[in-house]
Formats: sequence, C-alpha cells, structure tokens
Amino acid sequence: AQSVTQPDIHITVSEGASLELRCNYSYGATPYLFWYVQSPGQGLQLLLKYFSGDTLVQGIKGFEAEFKRSQSSFNLRKPSVHWSDAAEYFCAVGAGGNEKLTFGTGTRLTIIP
Amino acid sequence: DSGVTQTPKHLITATGQRVTLRCSPRSGDLSVYWYQQSLDQGLQFLIQYYNGEERAKGNILERFSAQQFPDLHSELNLSSLELGDSALYFCASSEQGSYGYTFGSGTRLTVV
Repeated sequence: AQSVTQPDIHITVSEGASLELRCNYSYGATPYLFWYVQSPGQGLQLLLKYFSGDTLVQGIKGFEAEFKRSQSSFNLRKPSVHWSDAAEYFCAVGAGGNEKLTFGTGTRLTIIP
Repeated sequence: DSGVTQTPKHLITATGQRVTLRCSPRSGDLSVYWYQQSLDQGLQFLIQYYNGEERAKGNILERFSAQQFPDLHSELNLSSLELGDSALYFCASSEQGSYGYTFGSGTRLTVV
C-alpha cells in the first residue's frame, strides 16, 4: 500500500529565510509525487508534480522539489519565503493517470517577521 | 476560482440527519474524487468516479454514498450523521490522462 510521511507537523521560518519541507513516501512502483498548498479556509492548490525525467522540478510561487529515489524522498524547497507562504503543505503519492492520491498529514508553515 | 464548484460551502445539521454535497468538476474533466479532511484523520480518500462509473473506493462509511451523473457532476450523500462526521469535504477532478487533481474549495459540515 502506498503511504506518505511528513515528519514535521509545524515549522516556523523567518521571512526571507530558506525553507525545506520533508516528505518520505512508500510505493511499490515508480511513484507520481505531488506537493499541494492549502491556505486557511481554502481548497488545495497544486504546487508541483513529478512523474519522470529531471529529478529537480520547478513549481509555482518559486517552489521546487527534488526526487531522491534512494531515500524515498520528495522534499519541497524555497530559497526565500514570503509572509504569504504561510499555509499548510501536503505531499501526495499516486500511480499516475487518473488514479487516486494518498496524502501525508501535512506540515503547517508559520512565517515570522 | 479553480473551476471545481462545491455547494454548499457550509452546512450545519443535527445528528441523525441526511445531507447531500454537490460537486461540479472542471469542464471536460471525467474523474471526480471525494476526500474528507478532519483534524484527527487528515485527508482521507473516500471514493472516485470516472465518467459515471465508480472507479475506486477508500475509507468510505456504509452510511455514505456517492454518484456521478451524466452531466459529470457528482453528489456525496451522508446519512445518519454523527458528531464525528463533522469535517471538510473536498471534491477534486482531473482530466483524462492527467497527473494531479484540481480541488474545489470544500464544504464544511458541522453536525450538532
């Protein structure tokens, strides 16, 4: 069965500092990996996705993620965070196509001035 | 606006009652997924429909049911509601061969 672990429940970062959110997955075949962001009271918005090719993928809002098969990880990074990045971030894994996604428990990001 | 429309946005109802949540997918998307988001369970996959047919089932209670209509909108029916059913219910859709969903803004259900 597929699963996703986001080990950090809550992270606090100063505005302008770099950010890395961790995601580890368990999946029997080649995974399709996603990062979503959820602002309070909103739905989830797709930040980026990986399913093949270059292991470093670029997303919206200046985010990037790196797929490391040997570590079963797909960590999300941003070189300099903005106050508007405060939100909940979810990592997800799936089989691709129109298959369902399995989500991690999320990491809540707080930005301090 | 993501293009996925969910109604109503908020719903307050009493225990034992039945409610229907509605979802209109993005134009052209054939797949609809329902998720439940609660503080203790996180995002739980409930059920998926593809072009009117049930495609996959997750942790959906027997008291819950769903369907997708010929115009591709979907409804999630929740019956004999309990306090623990209070949660955010999200609908998402995806196009044929796509990778990743587009989510609606959710329906917040409060059972009192």
